[in-house]
Amino acid sequence: EAGVAQSPRYKIIEKRQSVAFWCNPISGHATLYWYQQILGQGPKLLIQFQNNGVVDDSQLPKDRFSAERLKGVDSTLKIQPAKLEDSAVYLCASSAQGWGANVLTFGAGSRLTVL
Amino acid sequence: DAKTTQPNSMESNEEEPVHLPCNHSTISGTDYIHWYRQLPSQGPEYVIHGLTSNVNNRMASLAIAEDRKSSTLILHRATLRDAAVYYCILRDQANSKLTFGKGITLSVRP
Repeated sequence: EAGVAQSPRYKIIEKRQSVAFWCNPISGHATLYWYQQILGQGPKLLIQFQNNGVVDDSQLPKDRFSAERLKGVDSTLKIQPAKLEDSAVYLCASSAQGWGANVLTFGAGSRLTVL
Repeated sequence: DAKTTQPNSMESNEEEPVHLPCNHSTISGTDYIHWYRQLPSQGPEYVIHGLTSNVNNRMASLAIAEDRKSSTLILHRATLRDAAVYYCILRDQANSKLTFGKGITLSVRP
């Protein structure tokens, strides 16, 4: 089966600019996650969707970050305006419902550099 | 979220077994023990999970202490491709969030 697709793989922007990342989860996976991974740290959950509804966005900096999953399939994460500390890898993951919910499948990530 | 404690790093030799420890003294009865690993420049990858009994799959084995306050991920024959950061995570139910710590960096010597 195809994995979790993410784009772009790399993005370099200047501070105060905006950026958007796209994620296409594994077909049929109801739950979608966005994680932020700063160099040298473990991934940190930003937002979790169940179909097209938000389950957890407690760690999403809502003044500058937004995410949507309009049709319960692919998702977009946007940062506007970007800050230097947003430089990180943004990872998308998905999981199925039922027994398969135990396993998250991650994409390769989108690396953001803010100058 | 219940926390886990792992050493920062470990070295092993190729083709030898590797035992990666994890302490989770505050684990609750409904917490599952999950392991993920992250190879360089890739997203994390599921390895194994368990609740009380030891578990085996094609990638690894998970040995869980009787009191569940610690566990060990066992790679039976390390290869160079197993060099990665390994994360031990507690998750209280299938749909709850996965909270990553810093993990343990495994280096494999040829």
